[in-house]
Amino acid sequence: GQNIDQPTEMTATEGAIVQINCTYQTSGFNGLFWYQQHAGEAPTFLSYNVLDGLEEKGRFSSFLSRSKGYSYLLLKELQMKDSASYLCAVSLTGGGNKLTFGTGTQLKVEL
Amino acid sequence: DSGVTQTPKHLITATGQRVTLRCSPRSGDLSVYWYQQSLDQGLQFLIHYYNGEERAKGNILERFSAQQFPDLHSELNLSSLELGDSALYFCASSFGQGGSPYEQYFGPGTRLTVT
Repeated sequence: GQNIDQPTEMTATEGAIVQINCTYQTSGFNGLFWYQQHAGEAPTFLSYNVLDGLEEKGRFSSFLSRSKGYSYLLLKELQMKDSASYLCAVSLTGGGNKLTFGTGTQLKVEL
Repeated sequence: DSGVTQTPKHLITATGQRVTLRCSPRSGDLSVYWYQQSLDQGLQFLIHYYNGEERAKGNILERFSAQQFPDLHSELNLSSLELGDSALYFCASSFGQGGSPYEQYFGPGTRLTVT
């Protein structure tokens, strides 16, 4: 089966940098996605990694190490509106691009 | 706005009833995915359609069924509803069906409450 682990909650200060980790144990890995979800709203696509390394997209960056089954999402210059749940999701080969999600990390940004 | 539309936004119904949720994918997307999100289960994959054909099934109950029509919109049918079916149901779409992982774009969801 697949197992995806993320911390349940994190708290950070406005203007700071926060790193949200995700570890996974899957067979047939095809890619890793990060989504942001505000309560009661749709998940919003942030980034994805297929190969090892860092992908940067404005204030958001995502890193992947396939050999370690590890990814992180880095958020810089935190804003209050970044308070949300961050979902790590894995796409598997032969799975028709379906996503298997972790339970999400609830990030709270404080003044 | 992701470009994926879902109707209705809210649905309240009684146990034992049947409902249909509707999804229209982004223009140009051929794949439609259905997910269920409940408080205790997180976001769970239900089923994937590509250009009208079923491609993958997740932990979808036998009481649930879906289809994708020639115009690419999709419907999720939930029957013999139980209290535990109360959840947010999301539809997502992407261009492709697999091989390279294509990012999925989510609709606003349908909140189903079974009383």
